[in-house]
Amino acid sequence: AQSVTQPDIHITVSEGASLELRCNYSYGATPYLFWYVQSPGQGLQLLLKYFSGDTLVQGIKGFEAEFKRSQSSFNLRKPSVHWSDAAEYFCAVGGAGGTSYGKLTFGQGTILTVHP
Amino acid sequence: EAQVTQNPRYLITVTGKKLTVTCSQNMNHEYMSWYRQDPGLGLRQIYYSMNVEVTDKGDVPEGYKVSRKEKRNFPLILESPSPNQTSLYFCASSPVTSGSNEQFFGPGTRLTVL
Repeated sequence: AQSVTQPDIHITVSEGASLELRCNYSYGATPYLFWYVQSPGQGLQLLLKYFSGDTLVQGIKGFEAEFKRSQSSFNLRKPSVHWSDAAEYFCAVGGAGGTSYGKLTFGQGTILTVHP
Repeated sequence: EAQVTQNPRYLITVTGKKLTVTCSQNMNHEYMSWYRQDPGLGLRQIYYSMNVEVTDKGDVPEGYKVSRKEKRNFPLILESPSPNQTSLYFCASSPVTSGSNEQFFGPGTRLTVL
């Protein structure tokens, strides 16, 4: 069964500091990996996704993530955090083809607080 | 505007009173799905549908029903709601033919069952 673990429930950083949110996944084949962001009271917005190819993917709002197959990780990074980045972040894994298509498993989420 | 819409956005009901939450998308997506979001648990998939008349269980299907009679609509039915179904529900859709598995989410429906 596929699964996602986000080890950090809550992270606090200062504005302007760098950020790394951790995501570890379990999936039996090549995964499709996603990071979503949810601002308070809002729906989910896709930040970036990895399907294949270059293991470093760029997303919106200055975020990037690196797929490391050997570590089963897909960590999200941002070099300089802005106060508007305060939100909850979800990592998700999904498959492609056959019965696994469309089953998307989310992690528990990481709440990011940004101090001025 | 391409979007996924859900109605109602907020609903308070009582135990045992049947309810339906509607979901509609205007992007001609084959795939649609329902999730519930609970604090500390992230999003958990309830049901998904690969296309019209094709549905399958997600991780937490108990107490829910779905139907997919039209491509654009995917209603979530709670035949006899219970308090443990109090949650925030999201509908999502995705194109199948592109192979991307990228899902577009609706704004959410906050359900309270008393």
